[in-house]
Amino acid sequence: AQSVTQLDSHVSVSEGTPVLLRCNYSSSYSPSLFWYVQHPNKGLQLLLKYTSAATLVKGINGFEAEFKKSETSFHLTKPSAHMSDAAEYFCVVRSGGYQKVTFGTGTKLQVIP
Amino acid sequence: DGGITQSPKYLFRKEGQNVTLSCEQNLNHDAMYWYRQDPGQGLRLIYYSQIVNDFQKGDIAEGYSVSREKKESFPLTVTSAQKNPTAFYLCASSMTGDSLNEQFFGPGTRLTVL
Repeated sequence: AQSVTQLDSHVSVSEGTPVLLRCNYSSSYSPSLFWYVQHPNKGLQLLLKYTSAATLVKGINGFEAEFKKSETSFHLTKPSAHMSDAAEYFCVVRSGGYQKVTFGTGTKLQVIP
Repeated sequence: DGGITQSPKYLFRKEGQNVTLSCEQNLNHDAMYWYRQDPGQGLRLIYYSQIVNDFQKGDIAEGYSVSREKKESFPLTVTSAQKNPTAFYLCASSMTGDSLNEQFFGPGTRLTVL
């Protein structure tokens, strides 16, 4: 069994300040973990992925995430928010077969000018 | 450009009608997926396909049907049996079903039942 919990449904930050989007997971197997971003009425775009290599993963647009097995966490961070970062972000855990993909419920990021 | 296309972008259906959503990929991926997205619920898997002429039910397959006659195409039919079809539908593909492979998503189709 596997699950993923995004701890905040909404996060609001000021432009230029750090971003932290939190994600906790559980999995019976060694999982792969992903963060996706979705702008309104668009598909999902991959930001970064963890697949058991380096625990600190760098992605596109200045985002990064750290896999912490002891805390079962995969939080997404960015040092300085930009207005274009306003979107919904999904944490995803994948293990096992084709259907073993579990999406979090999403975190909406608001960036205040 | 390689990617996934979905059509139409917006679709309106009267109650009792079947409608078909198109999904095409030119990434040469083996696996394809259909998800339904509702506000505050994340994405839920409707159907997936590992290879041509094979597909499996996901978590919420009732009221939906699919086919996979070609590698690049995975259309979804929303039948009149689907009780609450108004939603945003996303198609995805991955190289294989291995957990190491990320999924690539299309732009989505928003279906509204009138």
